[in-house]
Amino acid sequence: EAQVTQNPRYLITVTGKKLTVTCSQNMNHEYMSWYRQDPGLGLRQIYYSMNVEVTDKGDVPEGYKVSRKEKRNFPLILESPSPNQTSLYFCASSLSVTRMPDTQYFGPGTRLTVL
Amino acid sequence: AQKITQTQPGMFVQEKEAVTLDCTYDTSDQSYGLFWYKQPSSGEMIFLIYQGSYDEQNATEGRYSLNFQKARKSANLVISASQLGDSAMYFCAMREAMDSNYQLIWGAGTKLIIKP
Repeated sequence: EAQVTQNPRYLITVTGKKLTVTCSQNMNHEYMSWYRQDPGLGLRQIYYSMNVEVTDKGDVPEGYKVSRKEKRNFPLILESPSPNQTSLYFCASSLSVTRMPDTQYFGPGTRLTVL
Repeated sequence: AQKITQTQPGMFVQEKEAVTLDCTYDTSDQSYGLFWYKQPSSGEMIFLIYQGSYDEQNATEGRYSLNFQKARKSANLVISASQLGDSAMYFCAMREAMDSNYQLIWGAGTKLIIKP
């Protein structure tokens, strides 16, 4: 089944404890992206990647890191999480962004709470 | 200025009725794509339908259709014969071809509740 998977789905952690949210897609998509969704603020892009070893900042990159060592994986790293990073996180992927439609398919979401 | 505007925060609709969810957008780009996503209470984001700015026909996908009026910059989602399982948040989103981040720009969403 073609899909984007994220793990974990739910995470409660404490301030300062490093964590990684994994994202994997099995559709051979070039483009991958991380968003966070907050009430009243909608979805905002954190980081994106055009292809392996190519990553760039979105609108809200502070406090996050990413890597793209393989095409299928795009982990989101929070080196020192803070309570303002409590949010619902989505990983998304699309086949290409150079050709329309470049539909982005989303993972199931990771609900993160930082105490 | 808001790039995507969804003016209906919430809607109640009787089961089996058709429903139209409004979306207007603002862009100076000639090439763009418009998307609708559904987010049930479980939280996942499900792609429903896509309309390209150069597409002459309105997009359709099963019970979903997109009423695209380019001159008015509107891209309303029409759900025919609504079902209880259609209850969810619905988001309109846009991707501008000139956007260097290749990101989706999102509306605030409409919460749709289908009444039995």
